[in-house]
This record gives sequence, structure tokens and C-alpha cells, in this order.
Amino acid sequence: QVQLVQSGAEVKKPGASVKVSCKASGYTFTNYDMHWVRQAPGQGLEWMGIINPSGGRTYYAQKFQGRLTMTRDTSTSTVYMELSSLRSEDTAVYYCARDEKIVVVWRLVYWGQGALVTVSS
Amino acid sequence: QSALTQPASVSGSPGQSITISCTGTSSDVGSYNLVSWYQQHPGKAPRFMIYEVNKRPSGVSNRFSGSKSGNTASLTISGLQAEDEADYYCCSYAGSSTLLFGGGTKLTVL
Repeated sequence: QVQLVQSGAEVKKPGASVKVSCKASGYTFTNYDMHWVRQAPGQGLEWMGIINPSGGRTYYAQKFQGRLTMTRDTSTSTVYMELSSLRSEDTAVYYCARDEKIVVVWRLVYWGQGALVTVSS
Repeated sequence: QSALTQPASVSGSPGQSITISCTGTSSDVGSYNLVSWYQQHPGKAPRFMIYEVNKRPSGVSNRFSGSKSGNTASLTISGLQAEDEADYYCCSYAGSSTLLFGGGTKLTVL
């Protein structure tokens, strides 16, 4: 069965960077695009971007351009989300979520458990 | 890009039907039949409920249905049950390989 297991909670200072991992299993890793979505405390879902694990192609929401980097390691079936220049507003739970089909159809079917990132001085 | 607009809260009694609206623009909801809906219980990851406006993935109750008119999509839940109490989010493809979520709606089953 499809499983997405994310790294643990992190506490970072303003201005620092954070890198969250998402290890996939139960399917062919390179066949399905992976999205990243975040949720600030008590707030709604916010789409951050998408990565194609096969070629590494990425698309980011305009809001995060210049601060967000998504990468993948095909040898370990893991995708990474790195956010830099952190500020308090970046405190959120960060989710990875797999698209449903081999050709991206913009459906977030399988979700990781989430990783809480807290930005505090 | 601004988030899609959803009502902050809706409520209904068990057995009743409710509808949650999701208003976007001609650049997102109005242009693509790629609207999906997600259910989220407190402290849990979202669950995929509706795709391509009105299609249900296997395992989702037929009490959940979706529709769209112009720039507004809607989620209807019929025969409300206690376990339907959750937050609901719409999501639309917005062009240029980007997605946009709604602000979320809290459903209370009275």
C-alpha cells in the first residue's frame, strides 16, 4: 500500500532554513508527482508546489518563489522540501501528498502524516 | 493568486443536507473542471473526497456530491451524519501548473 512517511518536528530561528523529507513506499517512486501543502495553526491548506520525481522538474506557487526548493533522491524514494529565510508566519504543518496518476491530474490522493515546523526566536 | 472563497462555517442536523460553496475566478474554477474537495478532521491529514468537480473516488460515500456553475463549485452532503463534522476544502487547478485551495469551511452537525 502507498505510504508517505515524513520527518519529525523542527524548531528553527527566524532567518534559518528547514528541510523536510517525505519517504515514499508501496509504489514506483518515479512514476507519480508529489505535491507539498502547508497548514498554519488554525488556518487553511496552502499549496506550495509540485515535483516530478523522475526528472526533478518543479513548479512552485508564486508566493514561495526564491525561498522554496524541492528535490528528490531516487535511490531512497524520498522527496525533500526546503524553505529558506524562515519567518514566524512559516510556522505550520507541512504535508507531502502524492498525485493520483502517472500523468499529473492535480488530485492529492495520498498524504503524509505532516511535519510541524515552528519558527521562533 | 488569492485563495478560493468558501463560507467559514455551515451547520445542519443529522439527516439534513448542506451545501458548501467555493467561489473562484475565470482563471481557475471557471476555466477548468479540475475542482477537488478534501475533508479534514482535527489533527488529521486531509482526505480526498471529490475530483473533477463531481466524481467520487472509491470508498467515498455517495452522500457526497459535487457540482459547478461558472466560477463557483459546490459540495453537497446529504443525510448528514455525526462523522461528517469536519473542515472541508475545495481546490482548483489554476493554470501554469499551480493549484489553489479554498479557505476552508467548518461543518458542524447539530
